[in-house]
Amino acid sequence: DQQVKQNSPSLSVQEGRISILNCDYTNSMFDYFLWYKKYPAEGPTFLISISSIKDKNEDGRFTVFLNKSAKHLSLHIVPSQPGDSAVYFCAASARETSGSRLTFGEGTQLTVNP
Amino acid sequence: DAGITQSPRHKVTETGTPVTLRCHQTENHRYMYWYRQDPGHGLRLIHYSYGVKDTDKGEVSDGYSVSRSKTEDFLLTLESATSSQTSVYFCAIRQGVATEAFFGQGTRLTVV
Repeated sequence: DQQVKQNSPSLSVQEGRISILNCDYTNSMFDYFLWYKKYPAEGPTFLISISSIKDKNEDGRFTVFLNKSAKHLSLHIVPSQPGDSAVYFCAASARETSGSRLTFGEGTQLTVNP
Repeated sequence: DAGITQSPRHKVTETGTPVTLRCHQTENHRYMYWYRQDPGHGLRLIHYSYGVKDTDKGEVSDGYSVSRSKTEDFLLTLESATSSQTSVYFCAIRQGVATEAFFGQGTRLTVV
């Protein structure tokens, strides 16, 4: 049962344009959501998070939007840069579950072309 | 950078042998996780811990066991390694339920 899904395995955008990465979840108990970026041969690094009490969180070029009714979140990167090329994972957790397990999606490979 | 270290970074082992991967943290974070990353599957949770001696299974726990006898160390053991356990393994630490998790650099395990 894949509770967090990223349906697009890959995304290609031009430098300077907007990148939009999408994520869907099924568990209505999830109340905290995160995005990570991963370069090859490195561990994932945290980008941005959002609590379920908000619908938007912004940090520089990165904005995360949360639509609880649709169980959908998205990450917007504006403007996109070649250094943003990486695999992006969304993740979710539920405060009530024991251990606060952190569930990840399959990832989306973003390629930003110069 | 968060103080989290995985060892070894690379390992090749034979089918049927036991293998232990170590995750060590210096942050005193309560939560620790073990994930495996495989193409097309993203990061899948193997086991996690929410305190010393408190552990639970993740979504792909079969063939794996863990132990956490002190806050700073979380060990992942493959009792009898199989080729399907060839993967990259990541450890993560987390301070609280509404905080980010920090990841180690990963361990590339090959079972031949």
